Amino acid sequence: EDQVTQSPEALRLQEGESSSLNCSYTVSGLRGLFWYRQDPGKGPEFLFTLYSAGEEKEKERLKATLTKKESFLHITAPKPEDSATYLCAVRTNDYKLSFGAGTTVTVRA
Amino acid sequence: ETGVTQSPTHLIKTRGQQVTLRCSSQSGHNTVSWYQQALGQGPQFIFQYYREEENGRGNFPPRFSGLQFPNYSSELNVNALELDDSALYLCASSFGGGGGETQYFGPGTRLLVL
Repeated sequence: EDQVTQSPEALRLQEGESSSLNCSYTVSGLRGLFWYRQDPGKGPEFLFTLYSAGEEKEKERLKATLTKKESFLHITAPKPEDSATYLCAVRTNDYKLSFGAGTTVTVRA
Repeated sequence: ETGVTQSPTHLIKTRGQQVTLRCSSQSGHNTVSWYQQALGQGPQFIFQYYREEENGRGNFPPRFSGLQFPNYSSELNVNALELDDSALYLCASSFGGGGGETQYFGPGTRLLVL
């Protein structure tokens, strides 16, 4: 069965303190790895799609990377508005998106 | 470009009742997926509709059913509601039907079953 594990569960950062979130996966037939941001009580907001090992994507203070077994979301010099839950999901041959439980990031000013 | 919209935003039902949730997909998208998100967990895949046909289903019982209409909007129906059905229900739309395309989510419907 497909498994997606995110760590840590929670991360508390000082403004400007860079860090990384991990998403490890065990799936058959990976067709894409996705990162979303979710604010409390709202739907997930799309950030990145990665398709193959070695691929990297960047957007403002966020950078996502992919290997054959895991993905990292790097947050550089975070600001309080980066506080959210970050979700990782994998798309496999049976069409569904399998999500991890998320990492809740809190950035203090 | 209009994003994914869902209605209603909040809903309270009692155990045993039936509920219908609605979703309008993003302009140009032909695929709709539904997810259930319990508090503190990641979304769980319920099913996906592509061109009005169900083409993927997660581990949910048959009392969870759906429809997709010719304009690609969709409904999620849940019969015989149970307390554990209380959750945020998310709809996501995409174009393509099952490859590696990106899914875009709506704001969700918060269902509370008493």
